[in-house]
Amino acid sequence: GENVEQHPSTLSVQEGDSAVIKCTYSDSASNYFPWYKQELGKRPQLIIDIRSNVGEKKDQRIAVTLNKTAKHFSLHITETQPEDSAVYFCAASKDPSGTYKYIFGTGTRLKVLA
Amino acid sequence: GAVVSQHPSWVICKSGTSVKIECRSLDFQATTMFWYRQFPKQSLMLMATSNEGSKATYEQGVEKDKFLINHASLTLSTLTVTSAHPEDSSFYICSARQGNTGELFFGEGSRLTVL
Repeated sequence: GENVEQHPSTLSVQEGDSAVIKCTYSDSASNYFPWYKQELGKRPQLIIDIRSNVGEKKDQRIAVTLNKTAKHFSLHITETQPEDSAVYFCAASKDPSGTYKYIFGTGTRLKVLA
Repeated sequence: GAVVSQHPSWVICKSGTSVKIECRSLDFQATTMFWYRQFPKQSLMLMATSNEGSKATYEQGVEKDKFLINHASLTLSTLTVTSAHPEDSSFYICSARQGNTGELFFGEGSRLTVL
């Protein structure tokens, strides 16, 4: 069935360093890949997304890359700050405007050490 | 961004009782809403897809008679945990898909504790 694998499960970095989280999806029909940040006790919030017709997207310190051939996509956070500490989830969906469900990765707990 | 409101944010109930959780999209219409269950330090486990005006689609292993979902309007979906037991204690969170962008907005979650 559909599956999204996410690595690593935990990640600790020094403040100012970069963090990279990787996801692999199984359904080649997936065409929308959002990333969500969930702070402790709060709801997940969209931080960046990418569609299958684009290979890379950047928003300030956050970037996402997509390799459709390998079915990989990654989140890159540069110049990390303590407030980046949270759990990050990747997801894959076939049709973001339709009724298809989102398949979530297992999450990565990022700790940014001051 | 769009707002999804979930209520109640926390609830404590006795074993055997039923609990209803509401999920509302406040400033947009959502034909599709999703219900998840999240265990501590774990991912979002999709329970069911709630479709306005039709029956919900449940994921494998989720008891439809246990977790009743109703999506009677374009802005409201409800999850009722029937005859709750301690093992149903969890964090339940809903999300609604905004039609124009397809972006998913999450409710703030409901923490259920069954005594």
